[in-house]
Amino acid sequence: AQSVTQLDSQVPVFEEAPVELRCNYSSSVSVYLFWYVQYPNQGLQLLLKYLSGSTLVKGINGFEAEFNKSQTSFHLRKPSVHISDTAEYFCAVIEAAGNKLTFGGGTRVLVKP
Amino acid sequence: KAGVTQTPRYLIKTRGQQVTLSCSPISGHRSVSWYQQTPGQGLQFLFEYFSETQRNKGNFPGRFSGRQFSNSRSEMNVSTLELGDSALYLCASSSQGWGGYTFGSGTRLTVV
Repeated sequence: AQSVTQLDSQVPVFEEAPVELRCNYSSSVSVYLFWYVQYPNQGLQLLLKYLSGSTLVKGINGFEAEFNKSQTSFHLRKPSVHISDTAEYFCAVIEAAGNKLTFGGGTRVLVKP
Repeated sequence: KAGVTQTPRYLIKTRGQQVTLSCSPISGHRSVSWYQQTPGQGLQFLFEYFSETQRNKGNFPGRFSGRQFSNSRSEMNVSTLELGDSALYLCASSSQGWGGYTFGSGTRLTVV
């Protein structure tokens, strides 16, 4: 079984500053990794995914993440945040042959002016 | 291309009643999954359907059930509602090839 740990439940950050959201996972088999964003009263929107290949993955809205197999991490970064990035962010994994996403507990990002 | 559509968006039910939620996946997507989101438990997997067959089920009581139709639309049903069933229920669809799951906006269920 897999598990996902998001190390920070809340991250306050000033507008135009960089942000990093940490995600570590545990699995005995190969996995695919995802980051989703959830705005208030909405569903989840896919930011980016890692399936294979280059370990640096670029997503929408200027986000990127780096897959580190040895550290079993998939941290999300953005070099300069906007007020509109205020939302909750979820890291998720799925077994390469599976059909069930396992989510971390989420990280709430609050961008301050 | 239309996204994943969930109806209704909001629902208020009384304890002991039953409820049916609906999900229409993206056209061509044959996999539909359901998740429950609560402040205390976070996002938890309910079940996944592919071509009308349930392939996986999460750790929920038998009061939670689902089905998928031949057009890939899915419904989930919760019987004998409890206060703790109050949650945002999210549906997601996926195509083969692991492009990732696309989520709907969810149905907010409140049990009073």
